[in-house]
Amino acid sequence: GENVEQHPSTLSVQEGDSAVIKCTYSDSASNYFPWYKQELGKGPQLIIDIRSNVGEKKDQRIAVTLNKTAKHFSLHITETQPEDSAVYFCAASKMNSGYSTLTFGKGTMLLVSP
Amino acid sequence: DADVTQTPRNRITKTGKRIMLECSQTKGHDRMYWYRQDPGLGLRLIYYSFDVKDINKGEISDGYSVSRQAQAKFSLSLESAIPNQTALYFCATSDWGETQYFGPGTRLLVL
Repeated sequence: GENVEQHPSTLSVQEGDSAVIKCTYSDSASNYFPWYKQELGKGPQLIIDIRSNVGEKKDQRIAVTLNKTAKHFSLHITETQPEDSAVYFCAASKMNSGYSTLTFGKGTMLLVSP
Repeated sequence: DADVTQTPRNRITKTGKRIMLECSQTKGHDRMYWYRQDPGLGLRLIYYSFDVKDINKGEISDGYSVSRQAQAKFSLSLESAIPNQTALYFCATSDWGETQYFGPGTRLLVL
């Protein structure tokens, strides 16, 4: 089955700096890559996703890049703010005929210091 | 009101006891999932259901069972709880798209 590796496990940055979280996946047939943010005491929430027919996607301060050849995708957060502090999870799946499940990475705890 | 609710939010039980965690959703989604979260291990899929008559095992189903009582309800049972089932449990839902919507979680402690 699919295996998703996520790095780093923890990341500390100063407010205003950029943060990058990286994931690799094992199944070359995977074609959907979402990122979830989990705030303390809450369930994960989708913040951005990308499909395999796109190399990059941006939403305000958040961007995701995908390198299908290397089976690697990354989350980029610019101009970090304290409210960005949370655990971030990457995931991968094969959206084939609608029957698929997500395989999650182990998560990255991001701490943004004022 | 929250779209995905889980009860209880916190539960302490003893080894060998049977417990049930419940999930309800008002999003009208066909698909429901149960995940377990452990520190450093991320989210691991326990069971999932793509419609009321469909139940599938996930990555770590041993020691767990589920019941899909209705489109809106999906319950997770631990028939005989053991300490290494101490974890944070999440229910999630989705429609035919890919986005999963998570509940607030149930924190379970097995003594």
